[in-house]
Amino acid sequence: DGGITQSPKYLFRKEGQNVTLSCEQNLNHDAMYWYRQDPGQGLRLIYYSQIVNDFQKGDIAEGYSVSREKKESFPLTVTSAQKNPTAFYLCASSTGRLTGELFFGEGSRLTVL
Amino acid sequence: RKEVEQDPGPFNVPEGATVAFNCTYSNSASQSFFWYRQDCRKEPKLLMSVYSSGNEDGRFTAQLNRASQYISLLIRDSKLSDSATYLCVVIGDGSSNTGKLIFGQGTTLQVKP
Repeated sequence: DGGITQSPKYLFRKEGQNVTLSCEQNLNHDAMYWYRQDPGQGLRLIYYSQIVNDFQKGDIAEGYSVSREKKESFPLTVTSAQKNPTAFYLCASSTGRLTGELFFGEGSRLTVL
Repeated sequence: RKEVEQDPGPFNVPEGATVAFNCTYSNSASQSFFWYRQDCRKEPKLLMSVYSSGNEDGRFTAQLNRASQYISLLIRDSKLSDSATYLCVVIGDGSSNTGKLIFGQGTTLQVKP
């Protein structure tokens, strides 16, 4: 079955540590996205990528980094520079930038202790 | 003013009731609109697109009012399984928002037996 796989599902880290969240898709989609969701707020865009080896900052990119070396993979690193990293992180993909249909992974819940 | 605004609720309704949610958007140039459904602690999934002429999918009806800049979602004959958070999504158009999906914070629906 085609879909998006995120790992890990739950992650705990100490302050000052970097952590990398994995996102893999086998839908052959060109575009991939990372969102952050906090209670009572809408999804906020961290980074997006429309093609391999290219990515753009979203609304809240500070303290995060990404890479897009393969079409299938779009990992997100939450660095120690991110002031408030505890959140629910969602990876998504779509056939292109202007489509409204995003396919989401099940999410990664990061807690900083 | 937020770009996309929703009443967070929760809306508590009995089974069989009809319930409607509104979502307002600030950019009059926005062209595409969608409703997503998100179950508790799960990823969002596309529920339906919103067309200019309005559209219906079973018990769900979506409508667009461009003059007043809002979209609506009507659910008839509510089921317990309809309990979820409903996210309004607008594709920005113009300036830096072109092609960007903007999420509302969601409206929570609880259907009671």
